[in-house]
Amino acid sequence: EVQLVEAGGGLVQPGESLRLSCAVSGFTSSDYFMDWVRQAPGKGLEWVGRIARKLGGDDRAYAASVKGRFTVSRDDSNNSVGLQMNNLQIEDTAVYYCVRSPLGNVFDIWGQGTMVTVSP
Amino acid sequence: DVQVTQSPSSLSASVGDKVTMTCRASQDVRTSLAWFRQKPGKVPESLIYAGSTLQSGVPSRFSGSGSGTYFTLTIDSLQPEDFATYFCLQYYFFPFIFGQGTNLEIK
Repeated sequence: EVQLVEAGGGLVQPGESLRLSCAVSGFTSSDYFMDWVRQAPGKGLEWVGRIARKLGGDDRAYAASVKGRFTVSRDDSNNSVGLQMNNLQIEDTAVYYCVRSPLGNVFDIWGQGTMVTVSP
Repeated sequence: DVQVTQSPSSLSASVGDKVTMTCRASQDVRTSLAWFRQKPGKVPESLIYAGSTLQSGVPSRFSGSGSGTYFTLTIDSLQPEDFATYFCLQYYFFPFIFGQGTNLEIK
């Protein structure tokens, strides 16, 4: 079964770090573009970042709001994708979704999401 | 950054109605636009990509059209499960940008 399962969310204080993981099953993550999307409580969707498929050289891109603080990575040995979040701010509070994107344009499979709360 | 504007922000309709919502981009994004449906408390679901290509498994009552800066999502014969929030996403330019959403409510 094709599935994405996020983990690693929790409650942290401003300035702290957190690492999210996205466990992939049913396909090989390095063959696909993988995105992170977040949704603050009661708000809309915000694209966070992407890692290209390995064939594309693992290129990465980020939203302006997280650039320099967040890093998307891939762990081929565990068939997973990660999101390292540093210097977290209150406005980073959101549910974070991992999303598969075949060919970079389909966004077809979404994980269930993991909640990150940043609070003093 | 490209700005993406959805309209209307909310829409009331009845089961069986046909509705259309729009998404406008501030720059030409070719056909690099996707639509998603998010039911209350649930994970977003992909409906349309490349402006008009129906995602596998999505009912044919959904259709998308447009290119450049103007796109529409049409739902023929609304079903109870269609009352949800709809988001568009431009993915031609980095950073990718979502519209603010259209909330489709039961009249």
